[in-house]
Amino acid sequence: QVRLVQSGGGVVQPGRSLRLSCGASGFPFSSYALHWVRQTPGRGLEWVSIISSDGSNIYYSEFVKGRFTISRDNSKNTVYLQMNSLRTEDTAVYYCATMPVEGGLGAYDVWGQGTMVIVSS
Amino acid sequence: DVVMTQSPLSLPVTLGQPASISCRSSQTLVYSDGNTYLNWFQQRPGQSPRRLIYRVSKRDSGVPDRFSGSGSGTDFTLTISRVEAEDVGIYYCMQGTHWPPWTFGQGTKVEIK
Repeated sequence: QVRLVQSGGGVVQPGRSLRLSCGASGFPFSSYALHWVRQTPGRGLEWVSIISSDGSNIYYSEFVKGRFTISRDNSKNTVYLQMNSLRTEDTAVYYCATMPVEGGLGAYDVWGQGTMVIVSS
Repeated sequence: DVVMTQSPLSLPVTLGQPASISCRSSQTLVYSDGNTYLNWFQQRPGQSPRRLIYRVSKRDSGVPDRFSGSGSGTDFTLTISRVEAEDVGIYYCMQGTHWPPWTFGQGTKVEIK
Protein backbone atom coordinates (compact mmCIF):
# COMPACT_ATOMS: atom_id res chain seq x y z
CA GLN A 1 0.00 0.00 0.00
CA VAL A 2 1.35 3.38 -1.04
CA ARG A 3 1.44 5.61 2.01
CA LEU A 4 3.19 8.21 4.12
CA VAL A 5 2.67 7.87 7.86
CA GLN A 6 3.44 10.85 10.05
CA SER A 7 4.37 11.03 13.72
CA GLY A 8 5.40 13.73 16.14
CA GLY A 9 3.57 16.97 16.66
CA GLY A 10 1.67 18.12 19.70
CA VAL A 11 1.52 21.16 21.97
CA VAL A 12 4.70 23.13 22.65
CA GLN A 13 5.55 26.49 24.16
CA PRO A 14 6.92 29.32 22.04
CA GLY A 15 10.66 29.10 21.60
CA ARG A 16 10.75 25.34 22.08
CA SER A 17 11.46 22.59 19.57
CA LEU A 18 9.60 19.69 17.97
CA ARG A 19 10.48 17.04 15.40
CA LEU A 20 8.10 15.57 12.88
CA SER A 21 8.69 12.26 11.14
CA CYS A 22 7.20 10.86 7.96
CA GLY A 23 7.69 7.22 7.02
CA ALA A 24 7.06 5.87 3.54
CA SER A 25 6.00 2.51 2.18
CA GLY A 26 4.77 1.06 -1.09
CA PHE A 27 6.74 3.24 -3.48
CA PRO A 28 10.44 3.91 -4.26
CA PHE A 29 11.01 6.49 -1.52
CA SER A 30 14.66 7.12 -2.42
CA SER A 31 13.61 8.25 -5.91
CA TYR A 32 11.29 10.99 -4.68
CA ALA A 33 11.78 14.50 -3.42
CA LEU A 34 9.68 15.15 -0.31
CA HIS A 35 7.86 18.30 0.68
CA TRP A 36 6.45 19.57 3.94
CA VAL A 37 3.27 21.63 3.58
CA ARG A 38 1.27 23.19 6.40
CA GLN A 39 -2.36 24.24 6.65
CA THR A 40 -4.14 26.77 8.82
CA PRO A 41 -7.73 28.00 8.65
CA GLY A 42 -6.52 31.52 7.98
CA ARG A 43 -3.68 30.94 5.52
CA GLY A 44 -4.80 27.75 3.77
CA LEU A 45 -2.08 25.52 2.35
CA GLU A 46 1.44 26.88 2.70
CA TRP A 47 4.59 25.25 1.39
CA VAL A 48 7.31 24.84 4.03
CA SER A 49 10.30 22.90 2.70
CA ILE A 50 11.58 20.37 0.19
CA ILE A 51 14.43 17.87 0.17
CA SER A 52 15.63 16.20 -3.01
CA SER A 53 15.66 12.45 -3.43
CA ASP A 54 19.28 12.09 -2.32
CA GLY A 55 19.15 14.90 0.23
CA SER A 56 21.63 17.09 -1.62
CA ASN A 57 19.24 19.93 -2.39
CA ILE A 58 17.11 21.61 0.24
CA TYR A 59 14.90 24.69 0.20
CA TYR A 60 12.82 26.47 2.81
CA SER A 61 10.11 29.06 2.83
CA GLU A 62 11.11 32.45 4.14
CA PHE A 63 8.78 31.92 7.11
CA VAL A 64 10.84 29.01 8.49
CA LYS A 65 14.34 29.51 7.10
CA GLY A 66 16.92 29.41 9.85
CA ARG A 67 14.55 27.74 12.31
CA PHE A 68 13.43 24.52 10.59
CA THR A 69 15.64 21.76 9.23
CA ILE A 70 14.52 19.07 6.82
CA SER A 71 16.43 15.81 6.50
CA ARG A 72 15.92 12.27 5.30
CA ASP A 73 17.22 8.77 5.88
CA ASN A 74 16.70 6.70 2.76
CA SER A 75 17.76 3.55 4.59
CA LYS A 76 14.74 4.04 6.86
CA ASN A 77 12.40 5.48 4.20
CA THR A 78 11.83 8.44 6.48
CA VAL A 79 11.90 12.22 6.18
CA TYR A 80 12.11 14.55 9.16
CA LEU A 81 11.29 18.15 9.98
CA GLN A 82 13.16 19.56 12.95
CA MET A 83 11.36 22.70 14.11
CA ASN A 84 13.27 25.02 16.46
CA SER A 85 12.42 28.42 17.95
CA LEU A 86 8.75 27.75 17.37
CA ARG A 87 6.37 30.69 17.16
CA THR A 88 2.62 30.90 17.67
CA GLU A 89 2.23 31.49 13.92
CA ASP A 90 3.74 28.04 13.28
CA THR A 91 0.55 26.52 14.66
CA ALA A 92 -0.84 24.38 11.84
CA VAL A 93 -1.51 20.92 10.52
CA TYR A 94 1.71 19.73 8.87
CA TYR A 95 1.69 17.35 5.92
CA CYS A 96 4.52 15.52 4.24
CA ALA A 97 3.91 14.93 0.56
CA THR A 98 5.65 13.79 -2.59
CA MET A 99 3.92 16.18 -5.05
CA PRO A 100 5.88 14.83 -8.04
CA VAL A 101 6.47 17.12 -10.98
CA GLU A 102 5.01 14.60 -13.38
CA GLY A 103 2.16 12.12 -13.24
CA GLY A 104 1.06 8.94 -14.93
CA LEU A 105 2.20 5.42 -14.28
CA GLY A 106 4.80 5.18 -11.58
CA ALA A 107 4.38 8.76 -10.41
CA TYR A 108 3.04 8.72 -6.90
CA ASP A 109 1.36 11.79 -5.46
CA VAL A 110 1.22 10.72 -1.82
CA TRP A 111 0.31 12.74 1.27
CA GLY A 112 0.67 11.91 4.92
CA GLN A 113 -2.33 11.97 7.21
CA GLY A 114 -1.28 15.30 8.71
CA THR A 115 -0.09 16.08 12.20
CA MET A 116 -1.19 18.98 14.38
CA VAL A 117 1.38 21.34 15.86
CA ILE A 118 0.12 23.83 18.43
CA VAL A 119 2.48 26.51 19.69
CA SER A 120 1.03 28.11 22.78
CA SER A 121 2.09 29.30 26.19
CA ASP B 1 6.84 35.04 -5.04
CA VAL B 2 4.07 34.05 -7.44
CA VAL B 3 0.63 34.88 -6.07
CA MET B 4 -2.17 32.50 -6.98
CA THR B 5 -5.69 33.93 -6.89
CA GLN B 6 -8.73 31.68 -7.05
CA SER B 7 -12.36 32.55 -7.67
CA PRO B 8 -14.91 32.05 -6.43
CA LEU B 9 -13.91 31.17 -2.87
CA SER B 10 -17.27 29.50 -2.30
CA LEU B 11 -19.19 27.55 -4.94
CA PRO B 12 -22.62 26.09 -4.19
CA VAL B 13 -23.53 23.63 -6.93
CA THR B 14 -26.44 21.42 -7.87
CA LEU B 15 -25.82 17.69 -8.19
CA GLY B 16 -25.36 16.72 -11.83
CA GLN B 17 -24.60 20.28 -12.91
CA PRO B 18 -21.20 21.59 -14.07
CA ALA B 19 -18.88 23.66 -11.92
CA SER B 20 -15.83 25.76 -12.75
CA ILE B 21 -13.08 27.26 -10.62
CA SER B 22 -10.73 29.95 -11.86
CA CYS B 23 -7.10 30.37 -10.87
CA ARG B 24 -4.89 33.28 -11.90
CA SER B 25 -1.18 33.66 -11.32
CA SER B 26 0.70 36.92 -10.85
CA GLN B 27 3.15 35.94 -13.60
CA THR B 28 3.22 33.46 -16.42
CA LEU B 29 3.64 29.85 -15.36
CA VAL B 30 5.40 28.76 -18.55
CA TYR B 31 8.75 27.29 -17.56
CA SER B 32 11.93 27.53 -19.61
CA ASP B 33 11.37 23.95 -20.83
CA GLY B 34 8.07 25.01 -22.42
CA ASN B 35 5.91 23.23 -19.86
CA THR B 36 3.43 24.89 -17.51
CA TYR B 37 3.52 23.53 -13.98
CA LEU B 38 0.04 24.24 -12.71
CA ASN B 39 -1.62 21.65 -10.48
CA TRP B 40 -5.06 21.21 -8.95
CA PHE B 41 -5.65 19.52 -5.61
CA GLN B 42 -8.82 18.32 -3.94
CA GLN B 43 -9.25 18.15 -0.17
CA ARG B 44 -12.34 16.34 1.00
CA PRO B 45 -13.61 17.06 4.53
CA GLY B 46 -11.35 15.48 7.13
CA GLN B 47 -8.86 14.20 4.54
CA SER B 48 -5.43 15.14 3.27
CA PRO B 49 -5.18 16.89 -0.08
CA ARG B 50 -4.73 14.80 -3.20
CA ARG B 51 -3.68 15.92 -6.64
CA LEU B 52 -6.22 15.74 -9.45
CA ILE B 53 -4.48 17.54 -12.30
CA TYR B 54 -0.85 18.25 -13.15
CA ARG B 55 0.66 20.36 -15.92
CA VAL B 56 -2.62 22.25 -16.45
CA SER B 57 -4.69 19.47 -17.97
CA LYS B 58 -3.27 16.01 -17.25
CA ARG B 59 -5.36 13.88 -14.91
CA ASP B 60 -3.64 11.83 -12.24
CA SER B 61 -4.28 8.09 -12.09
CA GLY B 62 -7.68 7.22 -10.72
CA VAL B 63 -9.15 10.69 -11.18
CA PRO B 64 -12.62 10.57 -12.76
CA ASP B 65 -12.83 12.01 -16.25
CA ARG B 66 -15.50 14.49 -15.14
CA PHE B 67 -12.55 16.55 -13.85
CA SER B 68 -10.69 18.56 -16.46
CA GLY B 69 -8.16 21.35 -16.42
CA SER B 70 -7.49 24.02 -18.99
CA GLY B 71 -5.76 27.33 -19.46
CA SER B 72 -2.42 28.85 -20.28
CA GLY B 73 -0.03 31.56 -19.23
CA THR B 74 -1.64 33.11 -16.17
CA ASP B 75 -5.28 31.97 -16.42
CA PHE B 76 -6.41 28.46 -15.55
CA THR B 77 -9.68 26.65 -14.92
CA LEU B 78 -10.74 23.45 -13.21
CA THR B 79 -14.05 22.12 -14.47
CA ILE B 80 -16.25 19.40 -13.05
CA SER B 81 -18.59 18.35 -15.84
CA ARG B 82 -21.29 16.88 -13.58
CA VAL B 83 -20.89 17.37 -9.85
CA GLU B 84 -21.34 14.34 -7.63
CA ALA B 85 -21.79 14.26 -3.85
CA GLU B 86 -18.24 12.96 -3.36
CA ASP B 87 -16.85 16.11 -5.00
CA VAL B 88 -17.66 18.24 -1.95
CA GLY B 89 -14.50 19.75 -0.50
CA ILE B 90 -11.92 22.46 -1.04
CA TYR B 91 -10.02 22.78 -4.30
CA TYR B 92 -6.61 24.41 -4.56
CA CYS B 93 -4.46 25.40 -7.49
CA MET B 94 -0.70 25.35 -7.01
CA GLN B 95 2.17 26.52 -9.18
CA GLY B 96 5.42 24.61 -9.48
CA THR B 97 7.12 26.75 -12.10
CA HIS B 98 8.75 29.53 -10.09
CA TRP B 99 10.18 27.81 -7.06
CA PRO B 100 10.98 28.12 -4.28
CA PRO B 101 8.45 28.68 -2.95
CA TRP B 102 5.69 26.52 -4.38
CA THR B 103 2.53 28.60 -3.91
CA PHE B 104 -1.11 27.70 -3.53
CA GLY B 105 -4.32 29.54 -4.20
CA GLN B 106 -6.60 30.39 -1.28
CA GLY B 107 -8.89 27.46 -1.96
CA THR B 108 -12.44 27.18 -3.31
CA LYS B 109 -15.04 25.46 -1.17
CA VAL B 110 -17.45 23.38 -3.23
CA GLU B 111 -20.71 22.45 -1.56
CA ILE B 112 -24.02 21.05 -2.67
CA LYS B 113 -26.99 23.40 -2.81
